[in-house]
Amino acid sequence: EVQLLESGGGLVQPGGSLRLSCAASGFTFINYAMSWVRQDPGKGLEWVSAISASGGTTYYADSVKGRFTISRDNSKNTLYLQMNSLRAEDTAVYYCAKEVVATVDDRRFFDLWGRGTLVTVSS
Amino acid sequence: DIQMTQSPSSLSASVGDRVTITCRASQTISNCLNWYQQKPGKAPKLLIYAASSLESGVPSRFSGSGSATDFTLTISSLQPEDFATYYCQQTCSTLRTFGQGTKVEIK
Repeated sequence: EVQLLESGGGLVQPGGSLRLSCAASGFTFINYAMSWVRQDPGKGLEWVSAISASGGTTYYADSVKGRFTISRDNSKNTLYLQMNSLRAEDTAVYYCAKEVVATVDDRRFFDLWGRGTLVTVSS
Repeated sequence: DIQMTQSPSSLSASVGDRVTITCRASQTISNCLNWYQQKPGKAPKLLIYAASSLESGVPSRFSGSGSATDFTLTISSLQPEDFATYYCQQTCSTLRTFGQGTKVEIK
């Protein structure tokens, strides 16, 4: 079955750290860029970070740059998000998403999402 | 960063209505525009990519149009399962930003 399964969420104090994982199955993980997207409960989607298929290139939203690190282990078909110096405003459901590049015009889109893992930053 | 602005933020409509949601980019993004549907407690689902290409399996009542800075998602005849929140997303920039969402509610 083609799926993404996030894990690692939980309750953490402000200033703390957490590492999220996203296990991929049913497709050739090494062929695809991946992203993390978060959603504050009851609010909209916020793109957080992306990583190229090889892992050699990474991108971050300004809101997490310098605090979060995206990485991947293609031998384990797993995507990670290391989150440090966590703040209350980082509280959200975190989704991982598979990024596809259209063959016709190289346009990118997210065609597969996980169910999400909830991160709560609170004392 | 490219900012995406959707309108309206919410709307009320009846089954069978034609619904239009707009998305405006703060700078030109060619056709690097995707639309997603999200229902409560669920992950987003891709509807439209590259502004007007229908994702496989998505009903043909959904359509997308536009280019440069102005884009539209249209639902030609709203069905009960279409009540949800819709998001646009640009992927021309390395920072793949979303609009704030449009909630479609039952009138």
